[in-house]
Amino acid sequence: EAQVTQNPRYLITVTGKKLTVTCSQNMNHEYMSWYRQDPGLGLRQIYYSMNVEVTDKGDVPEGYKVSRKEKRNFPLILESPSPNQTSLYFCASSLTQGPNQPQHFGDGTRLSIL
Amino acid sequence: DAKTTQPNSMESNEEEPVHLPCNHSTISGTDYIHWYRQLPSQGPEYVIHGLTSNVNNRMASLAIAEDRKSSTLILHRATLRDAAVYYCILRDVTGSNAGNMLTFGGGTRLMVKP
Repeated sequence: EAQVTQNPRYLITVTGKKLTVTCSQNMNHEYMSWYRQDPGLGLRQIYYSMNVEVTDKGDVPEGYKVSRKEKRNFPLILESPSPNQTSLYFCASSLTQGPNQPQHFGDGTRLSIL
Repeated sequence: DAKTTQPNSMESNEEEPVHLPCNHSTISGTDYIHWYRQLPSQGPEYVIHGLTSNVNNRMASLAIAEDRKSSTLILHRATLRDAAVYYCILRDVTGSNAGNMLTFGGGTRLMVKP
C-alpha cells in the first residue's frame, strides 16, 4: 500500500532533549516536505526536499533540521526543542515538485514540549 | 498562490450529493485547482485537481467554471466518512512558491447527517 509513515505518532518530552521524527515513503517520490499545523495558523512549511541531498527552508525553519540521505526517508530533527515547537507535524511527499502533483500526507505526529 | 474563498460550513444528508463551492477570482493562467480534505485526527488527503477541464476520479468530480474564477467539488453520494474540512487550493510553483508549499485557508467544514 502506497503510504507516508511517520513515527512516533505522539511524543511528550522536555525542553532541550534532542528528538527526531522519522518520515518514510514507499512511492519513490522525489519531493518531500515537513509542515506544522497550529490552531488558527493553518499548515506552515518547515523544510522541503526536491531530491536526495537537496533540502531547503520553508516558511518556519528556525529550530529544526532535516536530512535527505536516501530517497525514501526525510527525518525532522529538533536539536534543542522548546515549548513553542509544541504542535502537530505532518510529512508529505509527491512524485515531483510540479504544481499538478498531488501531495500525500502522513497521519501526523503530535509533539508536546514541556 | 492566489487566494480562494469557501463557505465556512455546509451540511448534507447521507447518500445525497454534495456541491462544495470555491471562488478564486484572481486565478492566473498557470494555477492548478486542487482540493484536499482533512478528517478529524488525520493528515490532509488529496481529493482531486484540475486546470481547465472538468475532472472525475473515484472520490469526486471537479467542475471548473469556463472563466476559471470558481470551481465546485462534487461528492456524488455523501457518506458519514466524508465528514471533514475541505480545502480548495491554487498551486503554481513559479515565483515565491518554489518550495511547492500547500497553503490551506479556512476550508469548508462538511457535516453529514445520517
